[in-house]
Amino acid sequence: AQSVTQPDIHITVSEGASLELRCNYSYGATPYLFWYVQSPGQGLQLLLKYFSGDTLVQGIKGFEAEFKRSQSSFNLRKPSVHWSDAAEYFCAPSGAGSYQLTFGKGTKLSVIP
Amino acid sequence: EPEVTQTPSHQVTQMGQEVILRCVPISNHLYFYWYRQILGQKVEFLVSFYNNEISEKSEIFDDQFSVERPDGSNFTLKIRSTKLEDSAMYFCASSSETRAEQYFGPGTRLTVT
Repeated sequence: AQSVTQPDIHITVSEGASLELRCNYSYGATPYLFWYVQSPGQGLQLLLKYFSGDTLVQGIKGFEAEFKRSQSSFNLRKPSVHWSDAAEYFCAPSGAGSYQLTFGKGTKLSVIP
Repeated sequence: EPEVTQTPSHQVTQMGQEVILRCVPISNHLYFYWYRQILGQKVEFLVSFYNNEISEKSEIFDDQFSVERPDGSNFTLKIRSTKLEDSAMYFCASSSETRAEQYFGPGTRLTVT
């Protein structure tokens, strides 16, 4: 069965520190991969996407993600976190032949000033 | 920048009543989606819609739910007889192509009492 796992429910980092949020997926074929962010009371904003090609993709707000086929992972990174990055982050693959995004349970990021 | 809009932002209804949630997708997009997020849980796919018909639906999308594109701009989700467990945030999304990035609206919070 197709699934996505975000192992970390809640992460707290200091402002200026680096960040890595983990995402692992289990699909028969490599899915399209997306990261979304949801600020409190807000909708879902697309951060970045991976379809194919270069395994390191750049997104908005200084985020990047690396696709690793051997590890079935698509981890989100940011070199220096800002207080405004505090939000919930969702990894969402889309499998071949499917229209839907399958969301992970999300990782809540707290930032200490 | 074009965006997906949803109305109302919050709807309160009594159990057994019909509700219609409205969405205006991005104007040149062809694929439309509804997702829901029960408080504290992950975002779940409900349905996708293309060329005036449902292209994919989840197990959640039973006979109580229906979708419609009544004109060239609106996309609606109808729940015929609401239940307490339908209380959730409902997100509309649209994309230009199948499996392309989906852009989400701000959501409608539905409260069933």
